[in-house]
Amino acid sequence: DVKVTQSSRYLVKRTGEKVFLECVQDMDHENMFWYRQDPGLGLRLIYFSYDVKMKEKGDIPEGYSVSREKKERFSLILESASTNQTSMYLCASSASGANYGYTFGSGTRLTVV
Amino acid sequence: DAKTTQPPSMDCAEGRAANLPCNHSTISGNEYVYWYRQIHSQGPQYIIHGLKNNETNEMASLIITEDRKSSTLILPHATLRDTAVYYCIVRLAGVSGAGSYQLTFGKGTKLSVIP
Repeated sequence: DVKVTQSSRYLVKRTGEKVFLECVQDMDHENMFWYRQDPGLGLRLIYFSYDVKMKEKGDIPEGYSVSREKKERFSLILESASTNQTSMYLCASSASGANYGYTFGSGTRLTVV
Repeated sequence: DAKTTQPPSMDCAEGRAANLPCNHSTISGNEYVYWYRQIHSQGPQYIIHGLKNNETNEMASLIITEDRKSSTLILPHATLRDTAVYYCIVRLAGVSGAGSYQLTFGKGTKLSVIP
């Protein structure tokens, strides 16, 4: 089975901390994505990457950056965490082409205090 | 990508078929219809997708109308574990480049399977 693994299920961080969320996939997928999910707002795309070292902004990139140094790993970075970044963060991967579905990780619930 | 419209919630008796509708009246000829579901506190799970023809897999069936303006996801024998939010998404096919890779999730349909 395709697996997308997010490093932490729950995280609590302080305001102003630099936060790293890690995601690893084991199916050699070209594309990887970071979403956040909030009640009433649904899933919103933060960033995605379609190749190593390539990245594209999604709908809400402000306050975030990403890194993709290896094909299997896609990191989301909160440069200076704020309370409005408290959310569920979901990583996904897919093969190239529109005829392929996404595989999601289990999510990281981040609380910024 | 075309917008989709789904009912906010539905109930289904355990063991019965669950039929989840989706309207996508502005769909274009090269857009796929995808279905995902999200069980509480988990990441979304891919169910099925199709372009024109009806599709079936081990999880569900997808019926797409001939004009492609609507579709129905069918769970043939719903169980309590099928209680989840179901998302219908349309997505461009045959377009290269970074912009073609996005999936845009709406609010979905919350399906409750009742014992």
